Amino acid sequence: QVQLRESGPGLVKPSETLSLTCGVSGYSITGYGFCWGWIRQPPGKGLQWIVSFCYDGLTFYNAPLQSRVTISVDTAKNQISLKLNSVTAADTAFYFCARTSRGLGSYTDLWGQGTLVTVSS
Amino acid sequence: QSVLTQPPSVSAAPGQKVTISCSGSSSNIGYTSVSWYQQLPGTPPKLLIYENNRRPSGIPDRFSGSKSGTSATLGITGLQTGDEGDYYCGTWDTSLSAVVFGGGTELTVL
Repeated sequence: QVQLRESGPGLVKPSETLSLTCGVSGYSITGYGFCWGWIRQPPGKGLQWIVSFCYDGLTFYNAPLQSRVTISVDTAKNQISLKLNSVTAADTAFYFCARTSRGLGSYTDLWGQGTLVTVSS
Repeated sequence: QSVLTQPPSVSAAPGQKVTISCSGSSSNIGYTSVSWYQQLPGTPPKLLIYENNRRPSGIPDRFSGSKSGTSATLGITGLQTGDEGDYYCGTWDTSLSAVVFGGGTELTVL
């Protein structure tokens, strides 16, 4: 059974950097055919894809966020990490770690439970 | 605004059928396949349909998907109160090189 678990601070100050980690168990993040990344959801609003790192080494970004986003991969620990810098209140959201197919339609078949990050002083 | 367009809400009585539409363009729905997600209150989204009409293991056949041109539809039959929640469509947009979602549709089972 594949599981994704997000961890990180729940409160970040404006202008600082949001940092989250996703530990993956039950499947190698280097496994063929999948991408691993982050999707967020402001409270009461819809889903917004942020970034995906794929098994073939390619990384895809949501263009409006790209300049502020860093994704890193630790294959030894089987985990991915997200950094989002210069945060504002608009970055307050539930952040989900997710596995997305590299193929047709890029469907997301696995989601973490999500972690709420609030940007506030 | 979302790249994919969904109605904000739909409703129907228990036991009835409902459909949720998802409209896009030639660079997303018209280019590749569509997936659908169910998000019940307080839980993460769950994959309901992938590659337009395929159901993951464990998803009942009350849920179905179809695609025509630049639009897709999710159908739910035999509605139950436990189906109440938000439903999202998603796909890949080749012009944006991005995963895109609809704005979500809130389902109410009256």
